Amino acid sequence: DGGITQSPKYLFRKEGQNVTLSCEQNLNHDAMYWYRQDPGQGLRLIYYSQIVNDFQKGDIAEGYSVSREKKESFPLTVTSAQKNPTAFYLCASSSGQPNSNQPQHFGDGTRLSIL
Amino acid sequence: AQSVTQLDSHVSVSEGTPVLLRCNYSSSYSPSLFWYVQHPNKGLQLLLKYTSAATLVKGINGFEAEFKKSETSFHLTKPSAHMSDAAEYFCVVGGYSTLTFGKGTMLLVSP
Repeated sequence: DGGITQSPKYLFRKEGQNVTLSCEQNLNHDAMYWYRQDPGQGLRLIYYSQIVNDFQKGDIAEGYSVSREKKESFPLTVTSAQKNPTAFYLCASSSGQPNSNQPQHFGDGTRLSIL
Repeated sequence: AQSVTQLDSHVSVSEGTPVLLRCNYSSSYSPSLFWYVQHPNKGLQLLLKYTSAATLVKGINGFEAEFKKSETSFHLTKPSAHMSDAAEYFCVVGGYSTLTFGKGTMLLVSP
């Protein structure tokens, strides 16, 4: 089955630690996205990538970093500079450009908490 | 620019009664509009999308939405609620840049 796989499902971060969230897709989509979800806030865009080796900051990129070395993979690193990392993180992908009419397909998320 | 407002943070219905989740949007361009559903600790699943074809859009699980340009609305409806419809619903606007998500409406269904 085609889809998006996020791992791990739950992740804990210690003070001063960087952690990396994995996102893999086998839908052959060009565009990939990372969102942060907090209760009552909807989804906020962290980073997105339209093509391999290229990515753009979203609305809340500070304290996060990404890479896009392969079409199917778009890992997100939550750095120690992100002072409030506790949230539900969602990865998505879509065919076409980010401003196209194509819907996004979502993974099942990673819940990150601070120890 | 674009924005979306979901008018209710929570909606409570009884099983078997109609569902109405309200959404207003703002867009400088001809918008694309979507409704997604999210069950607890899961990702978002697409219910339906509007992309300038028919103004009444039918989606999965008996949901539908009507695009009203004059009212800048895209309300989601279902004739008869089922217990399995209890979830959070997001109205989303696109077409100008990356998607903009509403803050969500939690649908509660009582027996």
